[in-house]
Amino acid sequence: DAGVTQSPTHLIKTRGQHVTLRCSPISGHKSVSWYQQVLGQGPQFIFQYYEKEERGRGNFPDRFSARQFPNYSSELNVNALLLGDSALYLCASSLLGQGIYGYTFGSGTRLTVV
Amino acid sequence: QKEVEQNSGPLSVPEGAIASLNCTYSDRGSQSFFWYRQYSGKSPELIMFIYSNGDKEDGRFTAQLNKASQYVSLLIRDSQPSDSATYLCAVKHGSSNTGKLIFGQGTTLQVKP
Repeated sequence: DAGVTQSPTHLIKTRGQHVTLRCSPISGHKSVSWYQQVLGQGPQFIFQYYEKEERGRGNFPDRFSARQFPNYSSELNVNALLLGDSALYLCASSLLGQGIYGYTFGSGTRLTVV
Repeated sequence: QKEVEQNSGPLSVPEGAIASLNCTYSDRGSQSFFWYRQYSGKSPELIMFIYSNGDKEDGRFTAQLNKASQYVSLLIRDSQPSDSATYLCAVKHGSSNTGKLIFGQGTTLQVKP
């Protein structure tokens, strides 16, 4: 069975550019969450979508946006990239919105902003 | 005060010993607690989740929860070099209808052969 798939795996962007990260949840999972993990820290919550609706938003600027599609896949968009946006971006899926049994993470997209 | 606190380590134990990883949290309304393992350069992998006070065992892993003390721990018995990784404690607020997890910064475990 395919797990959570994310693309691309690595990305290098220049300050001020825009980036789109993609995530496909485990088949049957309807909830997708996005996290940012900088080196040496735990993941920080960015967004959660369940049944195509935003269920939660973390403390991130409006440059960050996301959406979920009818097939439950999701995109994370970041505009006007800053050096500080360099991080591992993780997508996590769960069967239910409340993640009762925890969340399964994808392998992540490593974003480097230069 | 951070919402979820872990000692960053590194915690070093010899092969075969018990490794004890600790985590405290600040929100008394928290109801779900998770332990993730993260190898260097990889994504977090769920090891255990626990909701009720007491112990929960799964193979060599035991999660312990004490809500009165706002404390959750992970014990790894018969530690192996392959257990060397960063262990992340994550907490979900009970009042939330969302899946937001609050993570600690992680504890690095080194198991020496």
